[in-house]
Amino acid sequence: SQKIEQNSEALNIQEGKTATLTCNYTNYSPAYLQWYRQDPGRGPVFLLLIRENEKEKRKERLKVTFDTTLKQSLFHITASQPADSATYLCALDLARSNYQLIWGAGTKLIIKP
Amino acid sequence: DGGITQSPKYLFRKEGQNVTLSCEQNLNHDAMYWYRQDPGQGLRLIYYSQIVNDFQKGDIAEGYSVSREKKESFPLTVTSAQKNPTAFYLCASSIRGQGLKATQYFGPGTRLTVL
Repeated sequence: SQKIEQNSEALNIQEGKTATLTCNYTNYSPAYLQWYRQDPGRGPVFLLLIRENEKEKRKERLKVTFDTTLKQSLFHITASQPADSATYLCALDLARSNYQLIWGAGTKLIIKP
Repeated sequence: DGGITQSPKYLFRKEGQNVTLSCEQNLNHDAMYWYRQDPGQGLRLIYYSQIVNDFQKGDIAEGYSVSREKKESFPLTVTSAQKNPTAFYLCASSIRGQGLKATQYFGPGTRLTVL
């Protein structure tokens, strides 16, 4: 069956450390993978996109990796801050004609001061 | 300001009533989407529309209806046939395409509670 999985348990990280979130998928072949941030009671906000032929993408303190062999993407936040506390969602873009994204359930990240 | 708006932010419904959630965008996006989000679950697609006057069922369309008479507007009606409508509803839009064109922009959401 087709699945996209993110850690269901909250991730607690000490301020200043690097937070690493995981997105695993099975039986999909995404052309792209996107990461979004969602704050409580609000809609998700796009952060980064990585293509299937890219190994790594960076934006300020954010870094995303994409391993199509392992069927996994890792999302890193370096020098984490309490303001980074949120739920982070990954989404697969299969490049289908209906342009839909396939969403993970998200991982809640808590950065402790 | 360009963006996507949803109203109301909170909505209470009595059992047996239909309610309509509003979604408007001024981003000039062709594609619009409605999702339902329940605690601890991912976004589940209710309906989507790629162009005006056309829309398609998503994974959980039963008990919901939509219309797309204007490019800017994509209202969602939650009918009395929806057995468990209490949830957080999110509307999104995108340019329509792949890669960055598939990036979705979300509204602030409507929290619907059935009394």
